[in-house]
Amino acid sequence: GENVEQHPSTLSVQEGDSAVIKCTYSDSASNYFPWYKQELGKRPQLIIDIRSNVGEKKDQRIAVTLNKTAKHFSLHITETQPEDSAVYFCAASDRYSGAGSYQLTFGKGTKLSVIP
Amino acid sequence: DGGITQSPKYLFRKEGQNVTLSCEQNLNHDAMYWYRQDPGQGLRLIYYSQIVNDFQKGDIAEGYSVSREKKESFPLTVTSAQKNPTAFYLCASSTPGQGADTQYFGPGTRLTVL
Repeated sequence: GENVEQHPSTLSVQEGDSAVIKCTYSDSASNYFPWYKQELGKRPQLIIDIRSNVGEKKDQRIAVTLNKTAKHFSLHITETQPEDSAVYFCAASDRYSGAGSYQLTFGKGTKLSVIP
Repeated sequence: DGGITQSPKYLFRKEGQNVTLSCEQNLNHDAMYWYRQDPGQGLRLIYYSQIVNDFQKGDIAEGYSVSREKKESFPLTVTSAQKNPTAFYLCASSTPGQGADTQYFGPGTRLTVL
């Protein structure tokens, strides 16, 4: 099955600096890569996603890049703010099911702390 | 994601007891999922269901059971066979179509074994 590795496990940055979180995946058939943000005690919420036919996607201060050849994708947060502090999870689709829903395999998460 | 609810928010269980966690969605989503979250472990898939009356085991199904009698509901039973059930349990749903890979999560149930 799919295996997703995520690094680093913790990351501290000064407010206003950039943060980068990296993930690698093992299954070359994976074609969907979402990123979730989870605040303490809350549910994970999708912040951005990318499909395998796109190399980069940007949404305001957040961007995701995908390198299919190397099988890795990264989350970039620019101009970080204290409210960006949370745990971030990457994920990759495992296999397509008959009903059209994708299973997701998650990385173990990165705890981002933005220091004011 | 406001259309997915889980109850209870906190649940305490004595060893040897079965407990059932509720997950309901009003998003008309076909697929539903149960994940377990432990510190430092990310989210691990327990069971998923693509359609009513059908479900499949995920990566860590041992000691758990599910049912999918209605599209809106996907309850998870944690049985006494689950040796380490203390964890945060998250339910999610999704539906096929444009951008439908997105899984939306419920607020979670924190289960503690006493």
